[in-house]
Amino acid sequence: AQKITQTQPGMFVQEKEAVTLDCTYDTSDPSYGLFWYKQPSSGEMIFLIYQGSYDQQNATEGRYSLNFQKARKSANLVISASQLGDSAMYFCAMREGYAGGTSYGKLTFGQGTILTVHP
Amino acid sequence: GAVVSQHPSWVICKSGTSVKIECRSLDFQATTMFWYRQFPKQSLMLMATSNEGSKATYEQGVEKDKFLINHASLTLSTLTVTSAHPEDSSFYICSARDQHLQYGYTFGSGTRLTIV
Repeated sequence: AQKITQTQPGMFVQEKEAVTLDCTYDTSDPSYGLFWYKQPSSGEMIFLIYQGSYDQQNATEGRYSLNFQKARKSANLVISASQLGDSAMYFCAMREGYAGGTSYGKLTFGQGTILTVHP
Repeated sequence: GAVVSQHPSWVICKSGTSVKIECRSLDFQATTMFWYRQFPKQSLMLMATSNEGSKATYEQGVEKDKFLINHASLTLSTLTVTSAHPEDSSFYICSARDQHLQYGYTFGSGTRLTIV
């Protein structure tokens, strides 16, 4: 069963507008972490934002914010004031297990969303 | 910040040869290294997990004899694609885990492997 689902293969946004990239997840582990990464055409993985399952507030990092709906098991990424340089592939990923414990393991990635920012 | 240096960034090899990809942690000790494979416009698929000084754990469906992983030290992990064929052409990327890293992971820059 797919643990991380990104249902938007591609998204388009006008420069300076906000865009939301969807991500839903499935886990029975009470301790987990959710990540968003940006992958430009060069291939490098750029960490954007992290949300822990016990975090009370939604994570924010500059123009990035994570809309964490725990009951719905969704962790959507919101990019405000889009820039041309935001055009890239975006991945949602999940780590199951407690960060400080021995089960702190692998990341499982969603299918990705290709974001194109138009001038 | 923590950096993982991955080499080569791209390589073209003839079918039947072996190719080694290195991931080196530059300013921290990578206790665990994850190796991923990615086809164009697709997700990252975990191939194997290696811990320093022990055998790698391979994901289901990954041929351990074809994709040899060595994690001999806390700063170096290698992936060797043996007897490579065109279907092995892909983007390979490593990710190191260390408890001292913020949120725990840092990625190499990836290797584009083309087998001709």
